[in-house]
Amino acid sequence: EIVMTQSPATLSVSPGERATLSCRASQSVGSNLAWYQQKPGQAPRLLIYGASTRATGIPARFSGSGSGTEFTLTVSSLQSEDFAVYYCQQYNNWPRTFGQGTKLEIK
Amino acid sequence: EVQLLESGGGLVQPGGSLRLSCAASGFTFSNNAMAWVRQAPGKGLECVSGIIASGGSTFYADSAKGRFTISRDNSKNTLYLQMNSLRAEDTAVYYCAKAAPYHFDYWGQGTLVTVSS
Repeated sequence: EIVMTQSPATLSVSPGERATLSCRASQSVGSNLAWYQQKPGQAPRLLIYGASTRATGIPARFSGSGSGTEFTLTVSSLQSEDFAVYYCQQYNNWPRTFGQGTKLEIK
Repeated sequence: EVQLLESGGGLVQPGGSLRLSCAASGFTFSNNAMAWVRQAPGKGLECVSGIIASGGSTFYADSAKGRFTISRDNSKNTLYLQMNSLRAEDTAVYYCAKAAPYHFDYWGQGTLVTVSS
């Protein structure tokens, strides 16, 4: 099983600033990496797939990068609606595995 | 509009069984792999099972192997998860997710399964 590790666990950022979230895989997953956003009481929402492709309707302030074992999600200018929990997920192998999440909170 | 509507959750005693359903609409169900992802209270996401479009291959997390069975009825646009020998640690919200074709592009709102005596 591929283990996904996200850092930091919690990130405190002020609105308008940039946030950078990291995700590491225990073995190479190529570009088979997705990012999801989850708000309290809601289902996860797909943000990024293929490590860097934004899903339909996702604002351009969200960007993803990386390949192999190291990945990054960047939110360029945080809006109030961006404060949530973010998960990375590999879909290179079964079982599909998620990171433990990064909580992005208002500073 | 893609819609995924889970049902079948509830309170069950340890060792009991439940069958979850996910009714899909707004896309060609028979063309897409599907999965069940769960989230224990206050915890992260775990993909417990997946199934290819035809139903011919299935996949399970170690936590689900031997106890859970995923299936689908493409004529009814419905995904199922049969859960047996339930344990307290299976308590979670269970989400149905559509694969596109590998990442999950749409999710249902989830159904809560509580395993407790």
